[in-house]
Amino acid sequence: GAGVSQSPSNKVTEKGKDVELRCDPISGHTALYWYRQSLGQGLEFLIYFQGNSAPDKSGLPSDRFSAERTGGSVSTLTIQRTQQEDSAVYLCASSSPTPRNTEAFFGQGTRLTVV
Amino acid sequence: KNQVEQSPQSLIILEGKNCTLQCNYTVSPFSNLRWYKQDTGRGPVSLTIMTFSENTKSNGRYTATLDADTKQSSLHITASQLSDSASYICVVSAASGGYNKLIFGAGTRLAVHP
Repeated sequence: GAGVSQSPSNKVTEKGKDVELRCDPISGHTALYWYRQSLGQGLEFLIYFQGNSAPDKSGLPSDRFSAERTGGSVSTLTIQRTQQEDSAVYLCASSSPTPRNTEAFFGQGTRLTVV
Repeated sequence: KNQVEQSPQSLIILEGKNCTLQCNYTVSPFSNLRWYKQDTGRGPVSLTIMTFSENTKSNGRYTATLDADTKQSSLHITASQLSDSASYICVVSAASGGYNKLIFGAGTRLAVHP
């Protein structure tokens, strides 16, 4: 596709359930970032993928959060046993490996509501 | 540790007034800095990019500055409009292992009131 695609756009889930959020980056972009925005808060870094390198998971808030990037393209963020504090907009961004072109292209986000 | 800090966290101004948003970074080695605008319910979109040698760059009513010595950038909005209400995010690119890793600030939420 022409841009970064995230799905679903909205997700309402019951506390304790697992959820999977998907990000389809721009073709050829080797870098992929997951961030989240809680209501009224700023961007919070979650995880960073770069090519075949080991991902930077330093932002994952707990072991209930995990992410994969299969084949260097699509990424899935999984939240297990969701809690109400997990409610937020989850943003995915990708960028080109070209050193001169470091613009991050963002998806529209997935709004997660845990009830 | 590579970090990007933005201030203020949030700001309310009246339509027609000017404002300045700040971005301080501790990123090395520095590659470039971008300001993004995020409208409500949308993903952030790039406004401007600043490279090491650039001190100031304008994009309409938006003017970005960069002081590479003090590692500070600012985004100045002139004659604000209601449509300027958004989050503004500062993103610094760090050269890392042959790639450029992007370090994101938390953003400044700007509300322009009539």
